[in-house]
Amino acid sequence: QVQLVQSGTEVKKPGASVKVSCTASGYTFTDYYIHWVRQAPGQGLQWMGWINPNGGGTNYAQEFQGRVTMTRDTSISTAYMELSRLRSDDTAVYYCAKDHLGSGDYWGQGTLVTVSS
Amino acid sequence: EIVLTQSPGTLSLSPGERATLSCRASQSVSSSHFGWYQQKPGQSPRLLIYGASSRATGIPDRFSGSGSGTDFTLTISRLEPEDFAVYYCQQYGRSPFTFGPGTKVDIK
Repeated sequence: QVQLVQSGTEVKKPGASVKVSCTASGYTFTDYYIHWVRQAPGQGLQWMGWINPNGGGTNYAQEFQGRVTMTRDTSISTAYMELSRLRSDDTAVYYCAKDHLGSGDYWGQGTLVTVSS
Repeated sequence: EIVLTQSPGTLSLSPGERATLSCRASQSVSSSHFGWYQQKPGQSPRLLIYGASSRATGIPDRFSGSGSGTDFTLTISRLEPEDFAVYYCQQYGRSPFTFGPGTKVDIK
């Protein structure tokens, strides 16, 4: 069965960077894009971008351009999302999701990133 | 950026009732690139509908989607206790792929 397993909770100081991993199983990793979506506490969903594991091409939401980097390691079926120059309003649960014709059909369990001095 | 507006913000209904949730886009969206998600507290979102009207794998047929252009609807024909949750619409035809603010369906 398809599973996406994300790395654990992170606590970071403002200005630092965080790198969240998403390890896929149950399907061919390079066949489907991976989306990254975040959700601030009590708020809605915000799409951050996608990465194509086959080749590494990316598409970032303009709001995150210059601060986000999405990469992958096909040898271990893992996608990464790194966000730099963290601010307090980056505190959120970060999700990865397997692409399905543009939507996300399988989601990771989420990674809480707290930014606090 | 395409802005999605969902209405109502909260829908208070009883089990067995019909729920109709709306999502309006600020620009026309291809029906092929529109979906709905369900999210329960403490859980990850779950894809319900993609392509405006196709049910995702394992989704019961009481969930249906319709619409085109700028107006889309999610209908739950008879609410089950497990359907009380927050529902989000999403367009993924034009980057950035945006979500609506959500409609909370709670128990009356």
